[in-house]
Amino acid sequence: DQQVKQNSPSLSVQEGRISILNCDYTNSMFDYFLWYKKYPAEGPTFLISISSIKDKNEDGRFTVFLNKSAKHLSLHIVPSQPGDSAVYFCAASAGAGSYQLTFGKGTKLSVIP
Amino acid sequence: EAQVTQNPRYLITVTGKKLTVTCSQNMNHEYMSWYRQDPGLGLRQIYYSMNVEVTDKGDVPEGYKVSRKEKRNFPLILESPSPNQTSLYFCASSSLSSYNEQFFGPGTRLTVL
Repeated sequence: DQQVKQNSPSLSVQEGRISILNCDYTNSMFDYFLWYKKYPAEGPTFLISISSIKDKNEDGRFTVFLNKSAKHLSLHIVPSQPGDSAVYFCAASAGAGSYQLTFGKGTKLSVIP
Repeated sequence: EAQVTQNPRYLITVTGKKLTVTCSQNMNHEYMSWYRQDPGLGLRQIYYSMNVEVTDKGDVPEGYKVSRKEKRNFPLILESPSPNQTSLYFCASSSLSSYNEQFFGPGTRLTVL
């Protein structure tokens, strides 16, 4: 049973436009959510996170939105740049005492110049 | 430079031949973890460790062993590899207080024939 779902395997966006990557989760115990970015031949790198007590967290061009009632989060990248082309993983954890991250399958973002 | 290193980066082996993938971090992190990445399945956690001599199973521990005798090292052992363990493996580490924001190694691509 997949607890973190990224239903879009890939996404293409024009440079300068907004990229929106979506993630849904089923486990109501999840209370902390993260996005990781992965380039080919490298390990994932942490990008941005959000606690369940917030509905928005912003870091430069990257904003994560959390809709707890819908069990949905999204990552917005504005403006998109060719260097943003990578695979983006959504991840979630179930709070204090749970030292595990559950990852989605990833979405491959291609930003076209 | 703060980093997580893995060796080897690439390995081709045969069924049943014991192998060890090493992982080392220089950030004095308490938390270390192993993941495997497979096409269409994303990142799945194999084992994790919260400190020396403390290890626990992740989501897909079957066929793997780990040990944590020193804080900096967390080797992954395949006692009798099988073809279904052909995968891309990542080691990660973090401080226990921010275990969600993990630093990943560059990956080890393992092929079991």
